[in-house]
Amino acid sequence: AQSVTQLDSQVPVFEEAPVELRCNYSSSVSVYLFWYVQYPNQGLQLLLKYLSGSTLVESINGFEAEFNKSQTSFHLRKPSVHISDTAEYFCAVSEGGNTGKLIFGQGTTLQVKP
Amino acid sequence: EPEVTQTPSHQVTQMGQEVILRCVPISNHLYFYWYRQILGQKVEFLVSFYNNEISEKSEIFDDQFSVERPDGSNFTLKIRSTKLEDSAMYFCASRGQVVSSYEQYFGPGTRLTVT
Repeated sequence: AQSVTQLDSQVPVFEEAPVELRCNYSSSVSVYLFWYVQYPNQGLQLLLKYLSGSTLVESINGFEAEFNKSQTSFHLRKPSVHISDTAEYFCAVSEGGNTGKLIFGQGTTLQVKP
Repeated sequence: EPEVTQTPSHQVTQMGQEVILRCVPISNHLYFYWYRQILGQKVEFLVSFYNNEISEKSEIFDDQFSVERPDGSNFTLKIRSTKLEDSAMYFCASRGQVVSSYEQYFGPGTRLTVT
């Protein structure tokens, strides 16, 4: 069965510092990987996705994630964070198929301090 | 930009009562989902729906739960007899027609409080 582990429940970081949010997954088949962001009192927004092709994917607001098949990881990075990046970040995996259901990690709270 | 909408944003109900949570998925999407997030915990898959039938359900989705697409736009989750442990944020999601594109678009959620 597939599972997702986000190794850090909380990541405090100062503004303009780099950050990495870690995500590891377990699956016996090929997977599709996603990062979702949840701002306070809001729903889940798709941040970026890996479906196939280049292992490095980028979002429009400066985040990037790299799919590493050998390490079964999909870590999220940003070279310089802003206060507005403060949110909960969820890594999710789908095995595709007929349902394409998402399995989520526990989430990581990114706290950006001034 | 099209989006998934959910109503109500917050529902308070007494234990044992029936509740219906409503969702309007993105109009040309064909795959529909319900997830829940208990406070402080991760988002959990409940059920997926395609071609007017359930395609997969989790262990959480027992006989107290049901889903329906009563018309061409709404997608509902019904809990027949609510329990205290059903208190959670419930998210609806939908996915487009392209089989190779598995990203799901989520609504803002309905916070269900069972007292």
